[in-house]
Amino acid sequence: DTGVSQDPRHKITKRGQNVTFRCDPISEHNRLYWYRQTLGQGPEFLTYFQNEAQLEKSRLLSDRFSAERPKGSFSTLEIQRTEQGDSAMYLCASSRTISGTANTGELFFGEGSRLTVL
Amino acid sequence: SQELEQSPQSLIVQEGKNLTINCTSSKTLYGLYWYKQKYGEGLIFLMMLQKGGEEKSHEKITAKLDEKKQQSSLHITASQPSHAGIYLCGADPKNAGGTSYGKLTFGQGTILTVHP
Repeated sequence: DTGVSQDPRHKITKRGQNVTFRCDPISEHNRLYWYRQTLGQGPEFLTYFQNEAQLEKSRLLSDRFSAERPKGSFSTLEIQRTEQGDSAMYLCASSRTISGTANTGELFFGEGSRLTVL
Repeated sequence: SQELEQSPQSLIVQEGKNLTINCTSSKTLYGLYWYKQKYGEGLIFLMMLQKGGEEKSHEKITAKLDEKKQQSSLHITASQPSHAGIYLCGADPKNAGGTSYGKLTFGQGTILTVHP
């Protein structure tokens, strides 16, 4: 399977614990995105990378959240000191650029990592 | 910031019926994506529209971007139970140079149920 893969698919944790999610994008894609989706809402943009550089972070991404893409391939999203409000589906997407900056168009999403904070 | 409003919020139809989902933007749409999502799963790309008046079809699903580029519609012909799911429209804001960065703003989704 050459799609976007995310791990784990489900995570249940207690408030105050740290959690980490991993995303493996489609291999030739240089852009990687993290989105968050809560029940009954559309996904909300969190951050994105071009290769290993994190180019933008949403205001939704508090200081407790950190994302990395150290070698320009897989990415991790860590949430420190989780709160109940962090409970959501965390979606990863990837795409490739043309002419350096413009996207080809399609964003390919993974199956998501569902976080439940008790 | 750009906001997208989808209507209806939910839709229940009998198999074989046609249906339309609308997506209205608070600002001009430069790139409009349609995705389908099964509950608890990831998003599946359906179509992308970029030009006012553009229309694309895939199997029994047709999407249009209106001339003024502030509304898009998704039409399903002869619906089937396999069409059931959540349909999401996403807008791609561009900078002054017209570059797409892929940071999508999504509508809240339309839940489609198709009864056999």
